[in-house]
This record gives sequence, C-alpha cells and structure tokens, in this order.
Amino acid sequence: LAKTTQPISMDSYEGQEVNITCSHNNIATNDYITWYQQFPSQGPRFIIQGYKTKVTNEVASLFIPADRKSSTLSLPRVSLSDTAVYYCLVGDWVNDMRFGAGTRLTVKP
Amino acid sequence: GAVVSQHPSRVICKSGTSVKIECRSLDFQATTMFWYRQFPKQSLMLMATSNEGSKATYEQGVEKDKFLINHASLTLSTLTVTSAHPEDSSFYICSAPEREGPHSVYNEQFFGPGTRLTVL
Repeated sequence: LAKTTQPISMDSYEGQEVNITCSHNNIATNDYITWYQQFPSQGPRFIIQGYKTKVTNEVASLFIPADRKSSTLSLPRVSLSDTAVYYCLVGDWVNDMRFGAGTRLTVKP
Repeated sequence: GAVVSQHPSRVICKSGTSVKIECRSLDFQATTMFWYRQFPKQSLMLMATSNEGSKATYEQGVEKDKFLINHASLTLSTLTVTSAHPEDSSFYICSAPEREGPHSVYNEQFFGPGTRLTVL
C-alpha cells in the first residue's frame, strides 16, 4: 500500500493560491492519486483525481511529476469557506481507501 | 454526482445497547462499500470493506463480532455496533464507489454525511 505524507497544517489568507504537497514514494503502477476535502462533522468530498502530469477542474489543479512520487493540490484564490482538512489518497478504489493524517488548511481573512 | 445517504445522522444510546447504522447508495448500485470511524481532530480510520452478498473484510484490530456488517443488497449496507460502550462513541462514515454510469471516475468514492454515535 502506498503510504502518503502531508503537512499537518497550513495557514493562508483569502485570495491567495494554496499548494498542498503529498509524498507517496512507493506508489504502484496502477495507483491513482485522489484528493478529498472534509469539513467538520461531514463526510469527505471528492476534489480531484489524476494519474500523471496535470489535471484541472473547476475547483482545483493537481500536479504530478513524471516519477509520480509526489503530487501537489493547488487551490486558486482560496476563501474562508475553503478552511477544511484535505486528504491525499493513493491507490485503486478496491484496496486502498485508507486515509492518511490529512492537512488542516486554515484560511484567514 | 452520485449520492450516498446514512441513517440516522445522530444517535444517542445507553451503554450495552446495539445500534444499527444504514448506508444507502441512492442513485447507483454499490457492490462494495467502506465503513470508517473518525474521532475528533483525527483522520478517518477504515474499519471494514462491505461486499454485497458476501462477508465483510475487516481491518486489523477491528472486532467483527462487535461491528456487524450486512450488505444484503446493491444499495444498502448496515453497520451494527453491538453492546455499545462509551469508547464506541465516534463519527461513523460510509462510502461507496460507483463503477458505472455518468458519474463514474476511476477512483471516486462517494461518502455519506456520517452518523454521530454517542454512548452514555
């Protein structure tokens, strides 16, 4: 199983771009990288998923280098409502739905 | 996207009683569902993988006789906390992947809103 390592916490200010990096040195060939967002007392919510290079959707971008040993979630122009815990998961949907510690992002006014 | 519901959203029970939590996939079929528990300020801990029509697979350290899982249909999995004690108080979350359909992304899991269990 590919273990993930993320910063425990990050602070930012409204309007800034936030980049959260996840390390996954033993990622397997079949593994995908998925990021989730969780607000207190709610279930996690899917943000973005990728396999390699760059993926962009309406809320975030995901950058994955060629060796795939890390990935960076980029949140453009964060707002107070982006304050949450962000989790990076690596694996396939059948076997690797184990969460790491996550990154607690606090956006300040 | 696809929707997963949980019932109840909150339950308070006395020590020694059993509590059943339902997890439903509302607009898709789920042959596999995952059950998690989450303590305050901590990450989600995978408890078990629920498989439709067969026995659940429990993570190491999770008592299968304590946390009974039944996945009797393609849209419903239940978690029963038997003889609940205060240390079982936690936030229980289920998730399910959608394997087919317009919402299907390879590794996207749809999570329920969670059930807050408080054992007195």
